[in-house]
Amino acid sequence: GESVGLHLPTLSVQEGDNSIINCAYSNSASDYFIWYKQESGKGPQFIIDIRSNMDKRQGQRVTVLLNKTVKHLSLQIAATQPGDSAVYFCAETSNQAGTALIFGKGTTLSVSS
Amino acid sequence: ETGVTQSPTHLIKTRGQQVTLRCSSQSGHNTVSWYQQALGQGPQFIFQYYREEENGRGNFPPRFSGLQFPNYSSELNVNALELDDSALYLCATHKTGVNSPLHFGNGTRLTVT
Repeated sequence: GESVGLHLPTLSVQEGDNSIINCAYSNSASDYFIWYKQESGKGPQFIIDIRSNMDKRQGQRVTVLLNKTVKHLSLQIAATQPGDSAVYFCAETSNQAGTALIFGKGTTLSVSS
Repeated sequence: ETGVTQSPTHLIKTRGQQVTLRCSSQSGHNTVSWYQQALGQGPQFIFQYYREEENGRGNFPPRFSGLQFPNYSSELNVNALELDDSALYLCATHKTGVNSPLHFGNGTRLTVT
């Protein structure tokens, strides 16, 4: 079936390092991708999104890269801070309304100071 | 602008009982979706409501049902609770339109004993 997977379940970095979280998706018809951050006891928080007609999109300290050829998505976090520690999910959808998201299992990012 | 709010935050029910979870939509958001998140997993799509009607459903049995009200708030009802229904239930809202990201509430933690 359709699924979104992440390459690593956990990632540990030092404060100030750059972090890269990877995600592979399987549905070539997906046209909209979103990264969410989920802290303990909270719901997923929107970080950044990207449409399939783009390869790269930048936000504040975050960059999302989309490689449609190999169906790969990555989230880069610059100058990682302890407050970035959380579980990160990528999600995809082939619905133009941006709903019925398919989530992967998530990557737990741990930032040590 | 108010965010997505869910109630209650925690709930304990017995197998076979029925439960109703509630969600207030973020201001201006007319579409609501519900997701189930088991421990250590990514959220799974249950269904979506727009204009008070269900217009998308994931792989969940009919004992999972919902409502959307004219003010865009929503309810998730689960009948005949099973132990495997224990999970975090997330409500997400957005404005219907192309590539509009979902905004999640902090969820209701349901425990079925």
